[in-house]
Amino acid sequence: QKEVEQNSGPLSVPEGAIASLNCTYSDRGSQSFFWYRQYSGKSPELIMFIYSNGDKEDGRFTAQLNKASQYVSLLIRDSQPSDSATYLCAVLNFGNEKLTFGTGTRLTIIP
Amino acid sequence: GAVVSQHPSRVICKSGTSVKIECRSLDFQATTMFWYRQFPKQSLMLMATSNEGSKATYEQGVEKDKFLINHASLTLSTLTVTSAHPEDSSFYICSARGRTGRIDSYEQYFGPGTRLTVT
Repeated sequence: QKEVEQNSGPLSVPEGAIASLNCTYSDRGSQSFFWYRQYSGKSPELIMFIYSNGDKEDGRFTAQLNKASQYVSLLIRDSQPSDSATYLCAVLNFGNEKLTFGTGTRLTIIP
Repeated sequence: GAVVSQHPSRVICKSGTSVKIECRSLDFQATTMFWYRQFPKQSLMLMATSNEGSKATYEQGVEKDKFLINHASLTLSTLTVTSAHPEDSSFYICSARGRTGRIDSYEQYFGPGTRLTVT
């Protein structure tokens, strides 16, 4: 079982709709969770992080965390073509202070 | 926001030569820097973690004598790929993290990456 799992996609969403990206993790010791966006040929850029159960909103982005289910998601409202990218979920274990990345979900916003 | 630079952005070298990649944190002190490698259509794989002034910690399967890491200051880490071979061709990305004592200080900020091609 992979430590951090994401659906590789591609996920296609119409412009203006809500894109929902999901991630599950296996290490119950994980304590902080990050969403990165990576455009083709570029390095990842941090979108947001979450470490408490529930929702965290930042602009058009909402991260949701459910530690009991070992599940974290990212919602993108009012999707724009510029949101088309690969979204990487990353999980931090404070014990070893390392980020473990999922393989990413490729998102395409259809104009 | 935190800015991390990498140099060079792209390098082509011949098999058997060595290549040095620099990673700099421009507006914060990076107590820890990480080096990742990413092959096409794959996720980031951590190669090593370096703390300023101490030896790097390498992930399992990463040859420390081949990938030399030096974290000489709080703003600079270098990765040297020694005796490069075509299979070392990849996208190398560094990230930096500053420690402020807050939980969100565990954020890692990534450099723009270096694309290495070994011919």
